[in-house]
Amino acid sequence: NAGVTQTPKFQVLKTGQSMTLQCAQDMNHNSMYWYRQDPGMGLRLIYYSASEGTTDKGEVPNGYNVSRLNKREFSLRLESAAPSQTSVYFCASSERDRADTQYFGPGTRLTVL
Amino acid sequence: QKEVEQNSGPLSVPEGAIASLNCTYSDRGSQSFFWYRQYSGKSPELIMFIYSNGDKEDGRFTAQLNKASQYVSLLIRDSQPSDSATYLCAVNKGSNTGKLIFGQGTTLQVKP
Repeated sequence: NAGVTQTPKFQVLKTGQSMTLQCAQDMNHNSMYWYRQDPGMGLRLIYYSASEGTTDKGEVPNGYNVSRLNKREFSLRLESAAPSQTSVYFCASSERDRADTQYFGPGTRLTVL
Repeated sequence: QKEVEQNSGPLSVPEGAIASLNCTYSDRGSQSFFWYRQYSGKSPELIMFIYSNGDKEDGRFTAQLNKASQYVSLLIRDSQPSDSATYLCAVNKGSNTGKLIFGQGTTLQVKP
C-alpha cells in the first residue's frame, strides 16, 4: 500500500499560471482533504470531499477549485496562481467523514513568483 | 482568538524528562481531539486521539482531555532526541463532517 500519494513534489509557477495538484489514495477511504501549511499557521483546510461526488469549502477556499474524480483521486487546481499561494500543500484521506483519523500524503511545495 | 491555540515554543527538555504540550480550544461543542507529530520537511502523522474526559495512554504518550476547561494536553515520558519535532493539536468541532481545525503547532527539542 502506497497510502496517500501526491504529485508533483515541488513546483515553481509564475504569477497568473495555472496548475493542478494530484492526490490519490489506495486505502479505499471515503473522505479526502486538501490543506495548506504556512510557517507559524499550522494546517488550514482548503476543500474537502466527504464522499465520492461531493465537495465542500474549508477555511481558505478562495483561489482554488477541486475535483473528486473518483473514490481514489482528489485534485486541487489553481486557476491563476498568486504569490500568496506559495505554501506546502498536503492531501489527506480518512475512512469516514466524521472525526476519523486522517492520513497525510508527503506534500507538494509550491512557490509562486 | 484562534479556535485552537498552542504555544509555538520551542519547548526544550533534556533527554529522559517528561515533555508536556498543551492546547486550548474555543468551541465547547468540540467532540474529538487529535495529536499529530510532524518532523521537519515531512507530513503530519497521528500519535493519538482522545474523545472522552480524562487520560489515555499509549506507550510513552499520554493524552489528557478536560472539556470543562477546554484544553487537551500531550505528555511524552522518557523523552528521546528522536521525539524532537513539531506537535500539532487538531480538533473536530462535532459537525457532521471530518473537518479538523489545527493549532499552529509546538516545536519540541529534546537535548541529549
